[in-house]
Amino acid sequence: EDKVVQSPLSLVVHEGDTVTLNCSYEVTNFRSLLWYKQEKKAPTFLFMLTSSGIEKKSGRLSSILDKKELFSILNITATQTGDSAVYLCTTAPIREQGGKLIFGQGTELSVKP
Amino acid sequence: NAGVTQTPKFQVLKTGQSMTLQCAQDMNHEYMSWYRQDPGMGLRLIHYSVGAGITDQGEVPNGYNVSRSTTEDFPLRLLSAAPSQTSVYFCASSYAGVYYKEQFFGPGTRLTVL
Repeated sequence: EDKVVQSPLSLVVHEGDTVTLNCSYEVTNFRSLLWYKQEKKAPTFLFMLTSSGIEKKSGRLSSILDKKELFSILNITATQTGDSAVYLCTTAPIREQGGKLIFGQGTELSVKP
Repeated sequence: NAGVTQTPKFQVLKTGQSMTLQCAQDMNHEYMSWYRQDPGMGLRLIHYSVGAGITDQGEVPNGYNVSRSTTEDFPLRLLSAAPSQTSVYFCASSYAGVYYKEQFFGPGTRLTVL
């Protein structure tokens, strides 16, 4: 059975801290891994990773994929209260099953002033 | 572009009632999916479609039906609502080209079954 596991499930930090969120996966027909941010509404896209070892960056957020060990990490540096959200990791399958994304449970991040 | 739209935004049903959650997208995306989100459980896939006329089951399909008669629309039918189906439902769509692109989500429907 395909599964995606995120850790920790929740995290409380103070502004300025750096956090690392983890995502491991065991899925068949893997194509890409995606990170989303969810703030009390629909998820919004952050990153898509397809190749191992290539870091994706967007401002204070960065992510990397390890296809040998089957995991990804999402780093957030110099956290701000606006980073408070649930971060979701998901895997996208091969083209023939394109809508079949498997999500992890999410990591709820709370950033205190 | 309106993106992915869902109706209704909120719905209250009684046990045993049936209803259809509507989802439409105007981006000409081939892939469409339905998820439910319960506290602490992320998003769980109910049904998905890779194109008009083609649907398949996800992780939690029981109690739900879907059809995909057009590229734009992907309605989700609750056959006989149960309290366990109280949840937030999200519809999503994505491009089906050679290079995968991210899913776009609708705003969600909050369903309560009494």
